[in-house]
Amino acid sequence: QVQLQQSGPGLVKPSQTLSLTCAISGDSVSSNSAAWTWIRQSPSRGLEWLGRTYYRSKWYNDYAVSVKSRILIKPDTSKNQFSLQLNSVTPEDTAVYFCARDRVVGTTKFFDYWGQGTLVTVSS
Amino acid sequence: QSALTQPASVSGSPGQSITISCTGTSSDVGGYNYVSWYQQHPGKAPKVMIYDVSNRPSGVSNRFSGSKSGNTASLTISGLQAEDEADYYCSSYTSSNTFYVFGTGTKVTVL
Repeated sequence: QVQLQQSGPGLVKPSQTLSLTCAISGDSVSSNSAAWTWIRQSPSRGLEWLGRTYYRSKWYNDYAVSVKSRILIKPDTSKNQFSLQLNSVTPEDTAVYFCARDRVVGTTKFFDYWGQGTLVTVSS
Repeated sequence: QSALTQPASVSGSPGQSITISCTGTSSDVGGYNYVSWYQQHPGKAPKVMIYDVSNRPSGVSNRFSGSKSGNTASLTISGLQAEDEADYYCSSYTSSNTFYVFGTGTKVTVL
């Protein structure tokens, strides 16, 4: 059974960096059949896919164009986890952030496991 | 990339069937068989109910079924139960540089 456990601060000041971590159990961050993903949810923007990291002989990243200039998603193989950094945050980045596993096997793509969610508020 | 369009709310009595629509474009719903549906109870993470248009993950009730026609996907819940009351979101892979797009969400109420 795969479990994703999120950690990180719930309050970030405007213009600073939002940092969250997602610890994986029951799978490997280096899995060839998964992509490790960050998704956020807010009343104004709904559910929004932010980006992913995955390993296919080497590491790849994909990011949503809306945050591409400010986002970094990194794997940490030593701790079997991955992280999200979002720079220069504004109040519009206030949301519940989820990590999730994107099951990518053959012709299948969907988010089958999710973290518990972290409410991040951007406020001074 | 615009969100996929879902009705804001759908309701039904226990035992009835309801259907939730999810309308996109040929760049997402119509172009790929990668539509999935998620159930979300308040304060909880989404849970996948249907993937790849019509496949049910292990452990999900067979009262949930999915289909697609053109640019519109649908989720049907048959034999509606009180526990089905939740928000439901569709999602699709997209050819845009957003990779995945979600629906606007539908609140299901069991009367």
